[in-house]
Amino acid sequence: NAGVTQTPKFQVLKTGQSMTLQCAQDMNHNSMYWYRQDPGMGLRLIYYSASEGTTDKGEVPNGYNVSRLNKREFSLRLESAAPSQTSVYFCASSVSPGGYEQYFGPGTRLTVT
Amino acid sequence: GQQLNQSPQSMFIQEGEDVSMNCTSSSIFNTWLWYKQDPGEGPVLLIALYKAGELTSNGRLTAQFGITRKDSFLNISASIPSDVGIYFCAGQLWETSGSRLTFGEGTQLTVNP
Repeated sequence: NAGVTQTPKFQVLKTGQSMTLQCAQDMNHNSMYWYRQDPGMGLRLIYYSASEGTTDKGEVPNGYNVSRLNKREFSLRLESAAPSQTSVYFCASSVSPGGYEQYFGPGTRLTVT
Repeated sequence: GQQLNQSPQSMFIQEGEDVSMNCTSSSIFNTWLWYKQDPGEGPVLLIALYKAGELTSNGRLTAQFGITRKDSFLNISASIPSDVGIYFCAGQLWETSGSRLTFGEGTQLTVNP
């Protein structure tokens, strides 16, 4: 099992460009999450999907959109990147909405210039 | 919203020493989790706690769920160089936040050989 995979691993964007971060899990988990990690601020939830077909905003959703493509895949889209979105992005999954143990991918390091 | 205060922010210790870090919250949680993040990687789950007062060990790691449900601590005994990394606590309260986790800001651990 690969667990949670994320692509790309690194990305540099210019202000105003768009891109989609991809995430996939092979653990048959129902719930998936997108976080961003900034120095000294821990992990902050952007969006999550409790189950296939549902998505909800987290703590910092502005400037992002998500798509739960199927049970395995959950993508995060930046429509018009801003320097404030420079961060490390992590995708995570859990067995169910009540499955508190979340498993993380390796992260995408995004720089917006 | 719920906030977690994690301390200390950083620790510099000698190999073989014991380590203790903790998290406190102004709100109660039903679940406490402890994660470790190695440089350039995603967080990895170390220990999960589900009941107030629960004490759980995983090798040299021991964690406890505070009796008030507002705090948790993690101890590492006889530290080794591979313990280096950032340790995060996370809390969850299903009644108010569903499957969403609230993360502490992390404790950066450095172990000198």
